[in-house]
Parts: sequence; C-alpha cells; structure tokens
Amino acid sequence: GENVEQHPSTLSVQEGDSAVIKCTYSDSASNYFPWYKQELGKGPQLIIDIRSNVGEKKDQRIAVTLNKTAKHFSLHITETQPEDSAVYFCAVWGFSGGSYIPTFGRGTSLIVHP
Amino acid sequence: ETGVTQSPTHLIKTRGQQVTLRCSSQSGHNTVSWYQQALGQGPQFIFQYYREEENGRGNFPPRFSGLQFPNYSSELNVNALELDDSALYLCASSFGEANYGYTFGSGTRLTVV
Repeated sequence: GENVEQHPSTLSVQEGDSAVIKCTYSDSASNYFPWYKQELGKGPQLIIDIRSNVGEKKDQRIAVTLNKTAKHFSLHITETQPEDSAVYFCAVWGFSGGSYIPTFGRGTSLIVHP
Repeated sequence: ETGVTQSPTHLIKTRGQQVTLRCSSQSGHNTVSWYQQALGQGPQFIFQYYREEENGRGNFPPRFSGLQFPNYSSELNVNALELDDSALYLCASSFGEANYGYTFGSGTRLTVV
C-alpha cells in the first residue's frame, strides 16, 4: 500500500515568517494530493489540493508544489499569522483494490508566535 | 447549505460491546467515507460509500461495517469493541465516485473501557 511520510512533526515560527511542510509518498500512480488543517476539537478542513498533472497551485498565502519524479509535495504558507496555528495533514490518493483511496500523513503541528 | 454532522459527539462503551455512529452528509454530496483518528495521528481510512455501495476499503477488520442510506446519510458499526478502538471517528462527504474534495464532520470521540 501507499506509504506517506510527513515532516516536520512540529514547526514553530514567528508571525510573518514562512512555513514549509513536506510529504513524500511511494506509489507513482497516485493522482491527488490535498492538504488539510485541523484545529482543536474540529474535523480536518481542506485548504488546498493539487492533481498529478499540475506542478504548482496557489491560493493567496497558501501554495502547494508537486514533484512527481521525486514523489514529494510541499505546503507553503507565507506571512504566517497566529490563526494559522493548527495541525496540518497531507494526504495521497492511491489506487488500491479497484478504487482510489486516501492515505494521510501523521501531521505537523504548526505554532505561530505573535 | 449544511455541513457534515455526526452523532453522538462523545461515547463511552465497554470492551466487547457494539457501537453505531451516524453521519449526515453535506447537502448535494453522494459519497461518504469514514476515518479513525487515534490521538496524535493522521486519519486512517476505514471505507467509503458511493450511492449506497461500498467502493473502497482500508485495512480494517470485518467487525467494522457500514451503511449508506438513500438520502446519503451513513452509519459506521463496530462489533466486539477492543480498547484500541478508542479514537476520534470522522465522517467526510463529497460529490462523485472519486471522492475528492472532502468535507469533514467534527467527529465522534469513542472511548472503550
């Protein structure tokens, strides 16, 4: 099955700095790569996603880059704000048992200090 | 438009018992999937339903089963509960068979004692 590694597990930055979280995956046939933000007591919220035929996608302060050859993708948050503090998860959709199913990373706890 | 709602929010069960968790999908969504999230871990995919048929399953034993109803709401049933089943159970819905673009509910916190 798919193997997803997410780094770092914890990331502490000052307000206004940039934050980068990286995920690697094992299945070259994987085709969809979303990022989720989970705040305490809530379910994960989709913040940005990218398909396998695209190398980069941007939405205001958030961007995702995908390197299919190296099998890794990264979340970039610029001009971080205290409200960006949360746990971020990457996910990879891979083909298994006749369907595309997701495998999530273990999460990165982002702390933005005012 | 309403989001994904799950019930109950918290539940305590005894080892060996059975439990049913419920999920109402977001309006317009016809695919539902379920996840188990242990403390400090990412969500683990249990299974998904598209138009009332299971169309994907993760690495969970058969005592984890589910249903999707004609209104696209769903149930997760777990039999013979074990202590390791203690976790946050998340439901997510989306539109279409490929199940991209999830909207998650806030989850049910299950504690098995």
